[in-house]
Amino acid sequence: DTAVSQTPKYLVTQMGNDKSIKCEQNLGHDTMYWYKQDSKKFLKIMFSYNNKELIINETVPNRFSPKSPDKAHLNLHINSLELGDSAVYFCASSQGWGAFFGQGTRLTVV
Amino acid sequence: GENVEQHPSTLSVQEGDSAVIKCTYSDSASNYFPWYKQELGKRPQLIIDIRSNVGEKKDQRIAVTLNKTAKHFSLHITETQPEDSAVYFCAAPFQGAQKLVFGQGTRLTINP
Repeated sequence: DTAVSQTPKYLVTQMGNDKSIKCEQNLGHDTMYWYKQDSKKFLKIMFSYNNKELIINETVPNRFSPKSPDKAHLNLHINSLELGDSAVYFCASSQGWGAFFGQGTRLTVV
Repeated sequence: GENVEQHPSTLSVQEGDSAVIKCTYSDSASNYFPWYKQELGKRPQLIIDIRSNVGEKKDQRIAVTLNKTAKHFSLHITETQPEDSAVYFCAAPFQGAQKLVFGQGTRLTINP
């Protein structure tokens, strides 16, 4: 059983399109995150949710809108995609200590 | 600010030698320090962690040391093997553990 799973694994789309990435965890964790990993491998936190509530928004553009229907799910919707949005997006979950990551979604905007 | 500084950014060692990666953090309230290993094309995987009530923790060939006064912690890998080649990240929690901030990463290469 995969602990943190996100879909899709790859996403190629044109500039200006809208896309979503889904994430689910079956660990019973209260906290979920979205991280962006750029080409230099830097892992930058975007959002943190605790029990469905937004806790951290790291000055991410409004085009990025996370949604947490319940504490096991945290989805990411991106409007009007730009070239600079190309990156690997990781979902993660935590129960106060180490975070467990999903397999990542490689987003390529062309 | 909420910073985690990690050095070096790249490290190349001969197989069998030891590797050390160092991190410093800015918030003295941080109390948990995990290390992650990320292989090419894979997700970051937790490999070892340390809580602030201990100074050192070992797990086979890897160990982590913590100096709370100086706000720095280090990862030590002994008897390195080719499969240790990866990018390693340190991290520290901020804002009551709601925000896990990562260091910039260290690309470790083990030369046969």
